[in-house]
Amino acid sequence: QKEVEQNSGPLSVPEGAIASLNCTYSDRVSQSFFWYRQYSGKSPELIMSIYSNGDKEDGRFTAQLNKASQYVSLLIRDSQPSDSATYLCAVDYTNAGKSTFGDGTTLTVKP
Amino acid sequence: KAGVTQTPRYLIKTRGQQVTLSCSPISGHRSVSWYQQTPGQGLQFLFEYFSETQRNKGNFPGRFSGRQFSNSRSEMNVSTLELGDSALYLCASSLVANTEAFFGQGTRLTVV
Repeated sequence: QKEVEQNSGPLSVPEGAIASLNCTYSDRVSQSFFWYRQYSGKSPELIMSIYSNGDKEDGRFTAQLNKASQYVSLLIRDSQPSDSATYLCAVDYTNAGKSTFGDGTTLTVKP
Repeated sequence: KAGVTQTPRYLIKTRGQQVTLSCSPISGHRSVSWYQQTPGQGLQFLFEYFSETQRNKGNFPGRFSGRQFSNSRSEMNVSTLELGDSALYLCASSLVANTEAFFGQGTRLTVV
């Protein structure tokens, strides 16, 4: 079992809809959680970080963390075609000094 | 504020050669991590440096090595290149470990 797992995708939503991306992680002491967006041919770009249980909102993006259930999710409201990209979930384990990435979920927003 | 700078952007090498990639982190960032990204394996952690010390290493052969200088700039070296080393090599910098990391544009290495 992979340490960080994401929806295999691809995920397709119409413009204006809510896109929901999910990520689960293995049972270890996890401290920091990140969502990155990667456009084709580009490097990952940090879009959200979350460190404690609950929701964190930033514009159209909301990250949700549930440590008891070991999942972290990303909601994108009012999806736009420019949101079409691969979304990577990353987990930093306590004292690990590295991020473990999921394989990513490719999102397509159709006009 | 300047971002993470990786050089060179593109590199073509032949099997058996060695290569050195460079990464200049965001000013003030002391942690530098290196990743290899391939279509089949995704993002794989290579190593992380903090204050010139390698603190973590991923599951890569000893041909992959790195170092960090006192100004936090980092280099990674791959010796005896193999075709399978063709990948996008990404550097990420953060203030300290387990905090937000910012990636450079990457170095695309092609081994022929």
